[in-house]
Amino acid sequence: AQKITQTQPGMFVQEKEAVTLDCTYDTSDPSYGLFWYKQPSSGEMIFLIYQGSYDQQNATEGRYSLNFQKARKSANLVISASQLGDSAMYFCAMRLFDRGSTLGRLYFGRGTQLTVWP
Amino acid sequence: GAVVSQHPSWVICKSGTSVKIECRSLDFQATTMFWYRQFPKQSLMLMATSNEGSKATYEQGVEKDKFLINHASLTLSTLTVTSAHPEDSSFYICSATRPRDSSTLYEQYFGPGTRLTVT
Repeated sequence: AQKITQTQPGMFVQEKEAVTLDCTYDTSDPSYGLFWYKQPSSGEMIFLIYQGSYDQQNATEGRYSLNFQKARKSANLVISASQLGDSAMYFCAMRLFDRGSTLGRLYFGRGTQLTVWP
Repeated sequence: GAVVSQHPSWVICKSGTSVKIECRSLDFQATTMFWYRQFPKQSLMLMATSNEGSKATYEQGVEKDKFLINHASLTLSTLTVTSAHPEDSSFYICSATRPRDSSTLYEQYFGPGTRLTVT
């Protein structure tokens, strides 16, 4: 069974500091993708960053970077220079690409509520 | 960028009535659409996978007769909550998948969600 684990229900960080949100995953499939989404209080799901299982380098998107450690099956999100607007729920998700997998289906973790304080 | 819309964004209905939620892909044809349910402070729970022209595939524990899904076209999927009860009150989110180039990496786009309150 596929599983995504986010062990931090809540995280606090001061503005302008960096923060790491943890995510571990479990799958026996060799081909998969890892995603991070941000969900503010409005409810919309905002795509942040993607890492493919065969990607050699860690993904980066602006202030977001993904610390991908394949052997440990972890895909932690690093947010640099936190801003007050970063306060939101963050979800880690995984998608499988092998045949037989439902195309596009995402497996979500429980989420981490990030609070950025001034 | 690709956009997925949902209508209505929020709805209040009386217990026993039915509510229809629409999910539309605005600038692409969605091969597959997904319906999720989210309770406050919790994760997204996949309810069903909707493919155009075929019956939806429901996740274990989701009542097919209660949550009717119709994927009539490549740009529209609907979720109807029949005989709604207060415990059906939740945030319902759809997502749509479209092929990206010719690779097996499929982009997925989320709608803004529909907040359902059953009184």
